[in-house]
Amino acid sequence: DVKVTQSSRYLVKRTGEKVFLECVQDMDHENMFWYRQDPGLGLRLIYFSYDVKMKEKGDIPEGYSVSREKKERFSLILESASTNQTSMYLCASSSLFGYTFGSGTRLTVV
Amino acid sequence: SQQGEEDPQALSIQEGENATMNCSYKTSINNLQWYRQNSGRGLVHLILIRSNEREKHSGRLRVTLDTSKKSSSLLITASRAADTASYFCAPQGGSEKLVFGKGTKLTVNP
Repeated sequence: DVKVTQSSRYLVKRTGEKVFLECVQDMDHENMFWYRQDPGLGLRLIYFSYDVKMKEKGDIPEGYSVSREKKERFSLILESASTNQTSMYLCASSSLFGYTFGSGTRLTVV
Repeated sequence: SQQGEEDPQALSIQEGENATMNCSYKTSINNLQWYRQNSGRGLVHLILIRSNEREKHSGRLRVTLDTSKKSSSLLITASRAADTASYFCAPQGGSEKLVFGKGTKLTVNP
């Protein structure tokens, strides 16, 4: 079964910390995505990547960066975590047949 | 990329009844996808219907697409409590990016 794995289900970090959210897919997909989901706002695209070392900003990239050094891994980085980045973070990869999502990481910044 | 709008925002039915959710979009598409999200989890791909298809079935799911009206519907027949989830449509045009709406929250009461 194809999989997208997010390294943590729940994460609590302090304001100002640098936070890494990791996502790994085993499907050899070229496209990978990071979304955040907040009540009443739906899913919003933060960054996506079409290939290794390639990245493009989504709708809300401020306060985030990404890294894609290997095809299977797409990391989301919060350079200096803030309380307004408390959210559910969802990683996905895509093929011609649709997206496969990870289980999500619920990040709380205190 | 464009966003689909799901309607209704919330739907509550009894087990065994059918559930119908609608999706509207604005510009031409290559395909339209439906996803399900159980509470606190990632999205799961349900079905993809291409622009040249009018209807598609998968188990208890039936999806229709009317490109002239720029609309799609998802029908879940003989619903079960386990179908309780949020359902999202994602119209896809020339971009690899999917933009998700706020979804329809379906509650199936036992």
